[in-house]
Amino acid sequence: DVKVTQSSRYLVKRTGEKVFLECVQDMDHENMFWYRQDPGLGLRLIYFSYDVKMKEKGDIPEGYSVSREKKERFSLILESASTNQTSMYLCASSLRGLTYEQYFGPGTRLTVT
Amino acid sequence: AQSVTQLDSHVSVSEGTPVLLRCNYSSSYSPSLFWYVQHPNKGLQLLLKYTSAATLVKGINGFEAEFKKSETSFHLTKPSAHMSDAAEYFCVVSQTYNNNDMRFGAGTRLTVKP
Repeated sequence: DVKVTQSSRYLVKRTGEKVFLECVQDMDHENMFWYRQDPGLGLRLIYFSYDVKMKEKGDIPEGYSVSREKKERFSLILESASTNQTSMYLCASSLRGLTYEQYFGPGTRLTVT
Repeated sequence: AQSVTQLDSHVSVSEGTPVLLRCNYSSSYSPSLFWYVQHPNKGLQLLLKYTSAATLVKGINGFEAEFKKSETSFHLTKPSAHMSDAAEYFCVVSQTYNNNDMRFGAGTRLTVKP
């Protein structure tokens, strides 16, 4: 079974702090994704990576950056957390190709106070 | 551009009765379509997917969906609801090779009454 793990289930940070969210997948998938989930808005793509050190901006990249130094690991960085970044963050991975589904981690609920 | 509209934000059914969750999509090319389920405080789990093979797709837990190109719909159904089906359901469309442009619907919350 594909397993996608995220470093924290719940996180509370203060405004202005630098925040790291880590994601690891164990199935050698080329693609990895970071989404943000807010009620009534579904999932919105923050960043996407299709290979080591490669990244593309998604729909809402402002205020976020990412790092992919190893194939299995994809990190999301909030350089200076703000209250409007309070949300559920979901990591996913997939093989490359139109017909392949994404596999999701359990999510990190981040609260910025 | 591709997009997905889930026509109901909330659906409530009684246990043992049929479930219908509606999804319309728009896509410039032949898309792949997916339904995911999310139980409270969990990640998303794939229920089923359509990838241009059979138009009636069977998934896990007794769910199925029918791809109707003429109606641009991909509705999710189940003949008999179970209490454990209570969750949020997302319809998703994808039309790019890298899968980097999957569009999620806003979600439908399914409530199952005893």
